[in-house]
Amino acid sequence: AQSVAQPEDQVNVAEGNPLTVKCTYSVSGNPYLFWYVQYPNRGLQFLLKYITGDNLVKGSYGFEAEFNKSQTSFHLKKPSALVSDSALYFCAVRDGGTYKYIFGTGTRLKVLA
Amino acid sequence: DTGVSQDPRHKITKRGQNVTFRCDPISEHNRLYWYRQTLGQGPEFLTYFQNEAQLEKSRLLSDRFSAERPKGSFSTLEIQRTEQGDSAMYLCASSDSTDRLIYEQYFGPGTRLTVT
Repeated sequence: AQSVAQPEDQVNVAEGNPLTVKCTYSVSGNPYLFWYVQYPNRGLQFLLKYITGDNLVKGSYGFEAEFNKSQTSFHLKKPSALVSDSALYFCAVRDGGTYKYIFGTGTRLKVLA
Repeated sequence: DTGVSQDPRHKITKRGQNVTFRCDPISEHNRLYWYRQTLGQGPEFLTYFQNEAQLEKSRLLSDRFSAERPKGSFSTLEIQRTEQGDSAMYLCASSDSTDRLIYEQYFGPGTRLTVT
């Protein structure tokens, strides 16, 4: 069965420091992996995706993520955090054999000034 | 605004009543998804349409839930005989499939349902 784990409910980081938000997944086929961000009172917004190809994926707002097949991970990273990055981040996976997307429980990122 | 829209944004209903929500996807998108999100959880997949065909449905979608997309454009999600456990945010998302490399979904603002 498909599953996604975001092991940290909250991540705190100082502004200007690098940030990492962790995600691990389990699928039976080829994984299609996504990160979305949810700001207060706003809908989920797409950040980046991994479908195939280069393991390092670059997305919106300076975010990037690294696909690691052996560790079944897809961690979200940013070299220098901004206070405005504070939001709820969701990792999602789609098993290549279905149309169903599974979302993690979310990680709240708090960037401290 | 050409994004995904949902109506109503908020709905309060009494237990046992039926409710219907509407989603208007981005006009050129032929894939449409419904999700449910409760506090502290990520979106939970309910169902998927490609054009007017409902191609996948979660086992979580009980007989009280039904969704339609009659002309392959807007979609409706109906909940019959609502229960307090149905209280949640109901999200709609759409995506394009004309370019098979594009899989990301665009989400609407959601309909918050409160069952009293």
